[in-house]
Amino acid sequence: AQSVTQLGSHVSVSEGALVLLRCNYSSSVPPYLFWYVQYPNQGLQLLLKYTSAATLVKGINGFEAEFKKSETSFHLTKPSAHMSDAAEYFCAVTSNTGNQFYFGTGTSLTVIP
Amino acid sequence: KAGVTQTPRYLIKTRGQQVTLSCSPISGHRSVSWYQQTPGQGLQFLFEYFSETQRNKGNFPGRFSGRQFSNSRSEMNVSTLELGDSALYLCASSLGQGAGEQYFGPGTRLTVT
Repeated sequence: AQSVTQLGSHVSVSEGALVLLRCNYSSSVPPYLFWYVQYPNQGLQLLLKYTSAATLVKGINGFEAEFKKSETSFHLTKPSAHMSDAAEYFCAVTSNTGNQFYFGTGTSLTVIP
Repeated sequence: KAGVTQTPRYLIKTRGQQVTLSCSPISGHRSVSWYQQTPGQGLQFLFEYFSETQRNKGNFPGRFSGRQFSNSRSEMNVSTLELGDSALYLCASSLGQGAGEQYFGPGTRLTVT
């Protein structure tokens, strides 16, 4: 069985501060992990993905995530928050069969000017 | 390459009615997944179709059904609408084999009155 847990349903950071959104996964098979972002009244947009290559993955808009097998984590970071980063962020996991994706409950990021 | 399209974008229905939502995947994608998103429940998986066959199903009542056509386009039907069915319905397409990411459409906002 696979699942992801996102710690913190709401995160607030000041503009220019570090963004850290947490995601822990559970998987009985090698996982493939994703971060998506959703802006109001829009669908989800892929930020980055981990598919067993490099453990540090760089995505769009300056985001990156590190796969840590020992900690079963895939936290999303960005060195300096921008106002435009305010959105809902979802972590997701699937296996190499790609049959079903399992999404976390999401983290709402607020950026304070 | 055109993205995932969903029609209609907005829909208002009355309790007891039925509704059909449509999703056109990215060209070449054979898998279509449907999700229900509400503020209280987050992103909940409805079902996934691959090559016209339902491969996975979430925990939704039988009022929710779907199908996929030979061109990979998919429809979702909800019968006997209830107030609680008001939500954003998201469609996502993927290759359906391997660990390819899902690409999301903009969603259909359904309001049941």
